[in-house]
Amino acid sequence: DAGITQSPRHKVTETGTPVTLRCHQTENHRYMYWYRQDPGHGLRLIHYSYGVKDTDKGEVSDGYSVSRSKTEDFLLTLESATSSQTSVYFCATSSGGQETQYFGPGTRLLVL
Amino acid sequence: KQEVTQIPAALSVPEGENLVLNCSFTDSAIYNLQWFRQDPGKGLTSLLLIQSSQREQTSGRLNASLDKSSGRSTLYIAASQPGDSATYLCAVTNNAGNMLTFGGGTRLMVKP
Repeated sequence: DAGITQSPRHKVTETGTPVTLRCHQTENHRYMYWYRQDPGHGLRLIHYSYGVKDTDKGEVSDGYSVSRSKTEDFLLTLESATSSQTSVYFCATSSGGQETQYFGPGTRLLVL
Repeated sequence: KQEVTQIPAALSVPEGENLVLNCSFTDSAIYNLQWFRQDPGKGLTSLLLIQSSQREQTSGRLNASLDKSSGRSTLYIAASQPGDSATYLCAVTNNAGNMLTFGGGTRLMVKP
């Protein structure tokens, strides 16, 4: 494992509230990613980061923002949660953009 | 847009059988292809990574092949064991190295 932790591991929230998920890594990997996993859609990339303060959008970025102020932390924020954002969120890291990605344990988010 | 398809979606085999999981992708302009394993309620674990210039990779009882021109990869599992039961996912990295596209996975059950 690449020493990736995610917090919280489970969260229940209400529609319209802001939610921040945290990913922390101890491997000094340059790249970090946020995915969501949904039945019927598989894993889809939300946002990724290729360095401190350097981020870009993925396939399903609408409604999400990210920040990376330190190498080890990558935050995913849902500014105003909606029921369609109920999902399992995974963080991943890699040493390079084309290298093996290592995944965290996931965060289960339920938006009521 | 890259699309990755895995067939079959589910597979049940008796212990000891050799088996093949299939992955196909629509855009052959890939940098590499990865196979992952996911246990229920857990994150993904990388099994094998094949660069676009390679034809196959082996790790223990696992062998993955890649035919980039036809857009296909196979994961061969020899002498399957109950501990191999999991969902297996393939994913392709685009040439820019900033996007990993996943297939829907094959859910494997190996019965004792």
